[in-house]
Formats: sequence, C-alpha cells, structure tokens
Amino acid sequence: AQKVTQAQTEISVVEKEDVTLDCVYETRDTTYYLFWYKQPPSGELVFLIRRNSFDEQNEISGRYSWNFQKSTSSFNFTITASQVVDSAVYFCALSDNFGNEKLTFGTGTRLTIIP
Amino acid sequence: DTEVTQTPKHLVMGMTNKKSLKCEQHMGHRAMYWYKQKAKKPPELMFVYSYEKLSINESVPSRFSPECPNSSLLNLHLHALQPEDSALYLCASSQDPDPNTEAFFGQGTRLTVV
Repeated sequence: AQKVTQAQTEISVVEKEDVTLDCVYETRDTTYYLFWYKQPPSGELVFLIRRNSFDEQNEISGRYSWNFQKSTSSFNFTITASQVVDSAVYFCALSDNFGNEKLTFGTGTRLTIIP
Repeated sequence: DTEVTQTPKHLVMGMTNKKSLKCEQHMGHRAMYWYKQKAKKPPELMFVYSYEKLSINESVPSRFSPECPNSSLLNLHLHALQPEDSALYLCASSQDPDPNTEAFFGQGTRLTVV
C-alpha cells in the first residue's frame, strides 16, 4: 500500500534561516510520482513540484530545492533564506499505478517563519 | 486563467438545510475533484469526475451528491448534513484524469453544520 510520512508536525524557524521538510514514502510500484503542495492560510493547495521515480536529479527553483533519494525513499524539501510568506502547511504526496487516480497525502508539516 | 474558483467561501447551514457548493475552472481541464479537509488533516478525496462522468466515489455518504453540468463546472449538493461534516471542501482540476499530473486547487468552502 502507498504511504507518505511527514514526521515533522510543526517547525518554527527565524526568518532567513534555511529549513528542510522531510518526506518518506512507501510504494510497491516502480513507477510513481511525488509531489509537494503548499497550503497557505487562505486554504488553496498550491502545486510546487512533481518528480517521477525515474528522475533522481535534484531540483532547484529559486529559494526552493528538492532532494529525491530512492535509496532511502525520501523526497525532502529545503527552503533557503526563509521568508514570512513561506509560512504555510506543506504536504508531500504520492501517486502510483496502484493508486487508482488518487493522490496519497502525508499529514503535512506546519511551517512558521518568525520575523 | 489558471484559477479554480469556488463559491461560497464560507457556508453555515442547519442539519435540515439543502445547499450547494460550486466550482468553476476555465483551463480546459477534463478531470475535476472534490476533497474534504478536516482541521490539521490532509485532504481526503471524495469524488473524481473524468470527462464529465463520475469515475470515483470514495464511499461518500449519499447526503453529498456531486454533479458535473459541463466540463467547466462542478457542484456538490448537500442535504441533511451532520455537524461532523463541518470541514473545508476543496475543488481541484487537472488536465486529464491522471494522478500523475498536477492538480490546481480552489481556495475551498469552509462549511459549518449547526
């Protein structure tokens, strides 16, 4: 069965610090996709990134970077030089061929950036 | 236009009321979704519409009734709800009914059942 674990329930850091959000997943499939979504207080989930299981290259987008390691089944997300606007709940999610058109979400990490 | 628009943003209803939540997208997406999200929990999938046809019903109680009048609109009709149904209801859409494509979410309707 698919499972996504975000062990960090809440994280608080001071503005401009770097912060890493952890995501560990389980799947029986060899083909799968991993996602990160951001949910600010306004409520909508904002898509951040999608990574397929065959592409282990790390990705950087501005202050955001993602580290995908199949060997440890992890897909961690780092925010560099954090800003107050980064305060949100961040969800890691997984989809695979056994998922039947469903995303499996982790429980989310609430990130608070302290000014 | 990369928006999914949901109305109303907030709704308070009694257990005997009938109300509807509305969702609209103009991105030409062929898959639309309803999710329910309780406080401090991840979203839970309720329904998936694929090419205007209901393709997934995650064993949702019949007091929730989805409708897809056309490819841009998705409704969720509510009747005889319970207080435990109070939650944030999120609509989403994606280019096609493939969970491997990114979904675009609306801001949700915060529903309170009294």
